[in-house]
Amino acid sequence: SQTIHQWPATLVQPVGSPLSLECTVEGTSNPNLYWYRQAAGRGLQLLFYSVGIGQISSEVPQNLSASRPQDRQFILSSKKLLLSDSGFYLCAWSVQGGRNSPLHFGNGTRLTVT
Amino acid sequence: GIQVEQSPPDLILQEGANSTLRCNFSDSVNNLQWFHQNPWGQLINLFYIPSGTKQNGRLSATTVATERYSLLYISSSQTTDSGVYFCAVLTNSGYALNFGKGTSLLVTP
Repeated sequence: SQTIHQWPATLVQPVGSPLSLECTVEGTSNPNLYWYRQAAGRGLQLLFYSVGIGQISSEVPQNLSASRPQDRQFILSSKKLLLSDSGFYLCAWSVQGGRNSPLHFGNGTRLTVT
Repeated sequence: GIQVEQSPPDLILQEGANSTLRCNFSDSVNNLQWFHQNPWGQLINLFYIPSGTKQNGRLSATTVATERYSLLYISSSQTTDSGVYFCAVLTNSGYALNFGKGTSLLVTP
């Protein structure tokens, strides 16, 4: 069966420090991968999605970047964190193509920028 | 982009009560999912239901795609049903699910 791993679960970082969040998927090949952010107040905002290695699309211009160095690995990064980057970051995957298949989420990383 | 509206925004129920959550969307969709976010933040898939009706235990969902809405029914609610319920949709021209703002449910003993 397929599983998605996301780490760390919680993170406290000072303003101006770098960020690296990692997500890996097991049990499937060539998945679509996604990064969402949930700020206080519930809504989930799509940040990045990827349909293959090295293929990244950004939905919202911001202080963050994403990379997909391997088929089942998706990384969210920042060179210098801002206070506004605080939030709950969720990685998700769907099967290749993905348009008519369910989306599955990891357990998320709760980031606090101080 | 597509608009996804969920109602009610907040709901308090006594254990054992039934409830109906609604999701309206502004365009045709080819993917619709319901999620439950528990108090620890985990997003759990409830239903993948772009059309039709499905049931899973005490939960069921119906999507009427032609009228652009979906309903989530919770029967005999339990305290473990508490959390936020999200509806998310994908249009034919989109690349990823668009989420509503959710319905926050609290089930009291």
